[in-house]
Amino acid sequence: DTAVSQTPKYLVTQMGNDKSIKCEQNLGHDTMYWYKQDSKKFLKIMFSYNNKELIINETVPNRFSPKSPDKAHLNLHINSLELGDSAVYFCASSQEGPRGYTFGSGTRLTVV
Amino acid sequence: AQSVAQPEDQVNVAEGNPLTVKCTYSVSGNPYLFWYVQYPNRGLQFLLKYITGDNLVKGSYGFEAEFNKSQTSFHLKKPSALVSDSALYFCAVSPGSGNTPLVFGKGTRLSVIA
Repeated sequence: DTAVSQTPKYLVTQMGNDKSIKCEQNLGHDTMYWYKQDSKKFLKIMFSYNNKELIINETVPNRFSPKSPDKAHLNLHINSLELGDSAVYFCASSQEGPRGYTFGSGTRLTVV
Repeated sequence: AQSVAQPEDQVNVAEGNPLTVKCTYSVSGNPYLFWYVQYPNRGLQFLLKYITGDNLVKGSYGFEAEFNKSQTSFHLKKPSALVSDSALYFCAVSPGSGNTPLVFGKGTRLSVIA
């Protein structure tokens, strides 16, 4: 069973469109995250949710809106997509204590 | 705020030789330290972590890392490199609570030459 699953794996879309990426974890973790990996492979935190509540919102454009319907899901909706949004987006989850973090396999978003 | 430095963009090593990928960190309190590996067009795979205890941590695929508190370092090592170890390696730190985001270094590309 996949611990953290993201869909879709690949997403190609035109500028100006609105798209969503879904993430689900079956680990019972309380905290979920979205990371962005840019073309230089740098990984940066975007959002952090703990038990459906937004904890961290880094300097991300308002076009990005995370939604957590329950603590097992954290979806990412992006409005008015721009070329610079092209990246790999990783979902992750963790639990209080030293158990570590589990990452999804990533969603490669290409905006054309 | 916590930060991670990986001073080398690229490390080249001959197959069979020992390898080291360097990482230093800055965090208040006792850190949780991690190494992840990313193969081309793949996700992040966990290699090993240091939470507490023995400073030498052993992980997957024969990798190990040594926590050095005085030097704030957590270098990744392997006694004998394989061509299949060629990948992008990330060091990461969290401030020890387990539910705060990992902060990643910029990554080091390891190339093992046959």
